[in-house]
Amino acid sequence: GNSVTQMEGPVTLSEEAFLTINCTYTATGYPSLFWYVQYPGEGLQLLLKATKADDKGSNKGFEATYRKETTSFHLEKGSVQVSDSAVYFCALSSASKIIFGSGTRLSIRP
Amino acid sequence: EAEVAQSPRYKITEKSQAVAFWCDPISGHATLYWYRQILGQGPELLVQFQDESVVDDSQLPKDRFSAERLKGVDSTLKIQPAELGDSAMYLCASSGTDSNTGELFFGEGSRLTVL
Repeated sequence: GNSVTQMEGPVTLSEEAFLTINCTYTATGYPSLFWYVQYPGEGLQLLLKATKADDKGSNKGFEATYRKETTSFHLEKGSVQVSDSAVYFCALSSASKIIFGSGTRLSIRP
Repeated sequence: EAEVAQSPRYKITEKSQAVAFWCDPISGHATLYWYRQILGQGPELLVQFQDESVVDDSQLPKDRFSAERLKGVDSTLKIQPAELGDSAMYLCASSGTDSNTGELFFGEGSRLTVL
């Protein structure tokens, strides 16, 4: 069946560091891929998405590229801020069903 | 800004009691989802509605869980009787488009603790 595997946390970085959170997926067909973010005390919200191979999703300085050959959708940011501290979820959508990874908690030190 | 409303935010109950959660999706959103999120894990789909019809409840423990969306607007998720393992965050989300390319809008969740 379809599944999403993402990097275990927690991840702790200093402000302005480079961030990568790995995500790989298993799916039949051609899923859409998403990153959702959950800030403390808030609901999940969409961060970025990509709907086909080689698409790059971007938002708030974050980027992720849909790599079909490696079945990956890694999240990157060049310079993180304290305000990026949150839990990040990789997700895929196939046949109108959305499956989430287990989440990666990110903490940024000032 | 339109939001998905959920209540209650927190619920503490004893095992074998009945609990109910309510969700009001964003106006006009035809698709409504209930997810369960156990601490440290990602959300797992319990049930998905398209208007008032269930389109996926394959992961809903139907011996104790039920969900309805009678008029295709707001929805209720019920657990009876609650068990210790039901302690989790229950998330409601809605979508106005095909979920393959669309965006899910989540509420803040209802945290259930079963004692």
